[in-house]
Amino acid sequence: AAGVIQSPRHLIKEKRETATLKCYPIPRHDTVYWYQQGPGQDPQFLISFYEKMQSDKGSIPDRFSAQQFSDYHSELNMSSLELGDSALYFCASLAGVGSYNEQFFGPGTRLTVL
Amino acid sequence: QKEVEQNSGPLSVPEGAIASLNCTYSDRGSQSFFWYRQYSGKSPELIMFIYSNGDKEDGRFTAQLNKASQYVSLLIRDSQPSDSATYLCAVTAGGSYIPTFGRGTSLIVHP
Repeated sequence: AAGVIQSPRHLIKEKRETATLKCYPIPRHDTVYWYQQGPGQDPQFLISFYEKMQSDKGSIPDRFSAQQFSDYHSELNMSSLELGDSALYFCASLAGVGSYNEQFFGPGTRLTVL
Repeated sequence: QKEVEQNSGPLSVPEGAIASLNCTYSDRGSQSFFWYRQYSGKSPELIMFIYSNGDKEDGRFTAQLNKASQYVSLLIRDSQPSDSATYLCAVTAGGSYIPTFGRGTSLIVHP
């Protein structure tokens, strides 16, 4: 079965650079959640989308923006990167908000900011 | 007070034993409760979720929810070395559908 795809899997950037992370949900899933997990930390919710509209907003910095496209994939754009942005970023794919029985996480993007 | 609290561990159990993982939450209005497994450097994987007081079983896993005491636990029967991972508890609260995670408990199952 098709799984959640995230690209790139690993990314190394310098401070003040920009980065774009992509999440491709499972076919027919219309909901994407983004989380950030720093080393040894619990996952922190950033932002979510349902049917191409932002549905919830968490602790996403103003330097970050995100959107969901017509094919339901989502992109997280990060600018003016800081050392503290180094983390695992993963997205969750759901067949609708609150559809937890069909909740799958992508493998994540490991971002390292030098 | 953090919304979801877990003992960071590590919890060490012998192979074949029952592992018991606990989680408390602060919002009495929390609605949905989740257990995830996370291997080092990987994304979480949903084990199960529970809405109602009582037990919910899925294979070797049993989630137990006690809303009056505001805790949820996960029992893993016949623990295997492959169960060694961090177990994350998460809850939804305040009308949100977004799970809020605890910091996780590290489980080590030794042969």
